[in-house]
Amino acid sequence: ILNVEQSPQSLHVQEGDSTNFTCSFPSSNFYALHWYRWETAKSPEALFVMTLNGDEKKKGRISATLNTKEGYSYLYIKGSQPEDSATYLCALCPQGGSEKLVFGKGMKLTVNP
Amino acid sequence: GAVVSQHPSWVICKSGTSVKIECRSLDFQATTMFWYRQFPKQSLMLMATSNEGSKATYEQGVEKDKFLINHASLTLSTLTVTSAHPEDSSFYICSARDTRSVYEQYFGPGTRLTVT
Repeated sequence: ILNVEQSPQSLHVQEGDSTNFTCSFPSSNFYALHWYRWETAKSPEALFVMTLNGDEKKKGRISATLNTKEGYSYLYIKGSQPEDSATYLCALCPQGGSEKLVFGKGMKLTVNP
Repeated sequence: GAVVSQHPSWVICKSGTSVKIECRSLDFQATTMFWYRQFPKQSLMLMATSNEGSKATYEQGVEKDKFLINHASLTLSTLTVTSAHPEDSSFYICSARDTRSVYEQYFGPGTRLTVT
């Protein structure tokens, strides 16, 4: 059974703080890694799909890095805003590229104004 | 673009009844759709992969006769929970892969099912 771990599970920060969270996955079974942002009562929104070791992607104040050799990805949010409050999910697409996603439990971010 | 809708967003039903949940890709075609469920404080878990025009593929431990999946068109997949029981109460969410994309999966907003 593949295990995708996210840490921390929840985080409360003040507006303006920068945050980072970790997604760990089995390095031996990697095809792609997805990051999603999920606000309550809405659809999870795709942030990044990462495939190559050393990948670094950026979308506004949010960026992500990938290390497939050691099996982790970091998600950074620079200068958090209240509207960044959401649950951030990472999901592994295992080797073989079968499209099946294995999700972590998510990281709930609350940004206080 | 890439919007997936799900209906209903929540449903309460009595034990023993069946419930149908619809998943639609609104502005793209999806040959493959996925059904997940999430129990409290757990991760999204894949239940089945729904392929247009063919039988769904179920994950280990998911009863195919209980969770009926139909993917009759390139924009619609349905999940029917048959003879629902309280332990089927969960959050069900679908995703769809755009045929033009290699990696991207787009999610619906989910359906909260409560069986009393």
